[in-house]
Amino acid sequence: KQEVTQIPAALSVPEGENLVLNCSFTDSAIYNLQWFRQDPGKGLTSLLLIQSSQREQTSGRLNASLDKSSGRSTLYIAASQPGDSATYLCAVGSGAGSYQLTFGKGTKLSVIP
Amino acid sequence: NAGVTQTPKFQVLKTGQSMTLQCAQDMNHEYMSWYRQDPGMGLRLIHYSVGAGITDQGEVPNGYNVSRSTTEDFPLRLLSAAPSQTSVYFCASSYSRQGRGNIQYFGAGTRLSVL
Repeated sequence: KQEVTQIPAALSVPEGENLVLNCSFTDSAIYNLQWFRQDPGKGLTSLLLIQSSQREQTSGRLNASLDKSSGRSTLYIAASQPGDSATYLCAVGSGAGSYQLTFGKGTKLSVIP
Repeated sequence: NAGVTQTPKFQVLKTGQSMTLQCAQDMNHEYMSWYRQDPGMGLRLIHYSVGAGITDQGEVPNGYNVSRSTTEDFPLRLLSAAPSQTSVYFCASSYSRQGRGNIQYFGAGTRLSVL
């Protein structure tokens, strides 16, 4: 059974700092890995999707990497802003067509002005 | 496009009552799924569907029923609500992009309390 772990569970940083969120998974037979953002009381918003054949994806100040062999992914956020404060969830896609997602418990990020 | 729409946003039930959580998407996505989110547990897959008329169980299906009669709708039924089903429920949909995996789009959630 796939298990996804996110470290740390919570993180507080001053505005402007660069930061890294970590995600690890136990079964390397994945189709893709997604990073989501969840604001309090809201749904999930997809940030980045990395296919199993890719090493990284970038969107603006966000960069996600994937190392399938070691079962790890990182989400790098450059020049953090208070608006980045949210919970970040890592999810591994498996099953036919990678439809089934296994989620980590998330990292709650607070960016202090 | 409205995206993925879930109704109701909040619901309080008594133990033993039944209800249906509604989910609709207007993006013509073939895949839809239901997750529940509990504190300290993360999101867990309840049921999913890869197209109209096709459904299957996820990690935590007990106590829930689904059907998929149209591409747009994927309702989740609680036949006899239990306090253990108190949770936030999310519906998601996705499509297949040739060679590019599946981005999943989530609704805003339904907060359910079973007393």
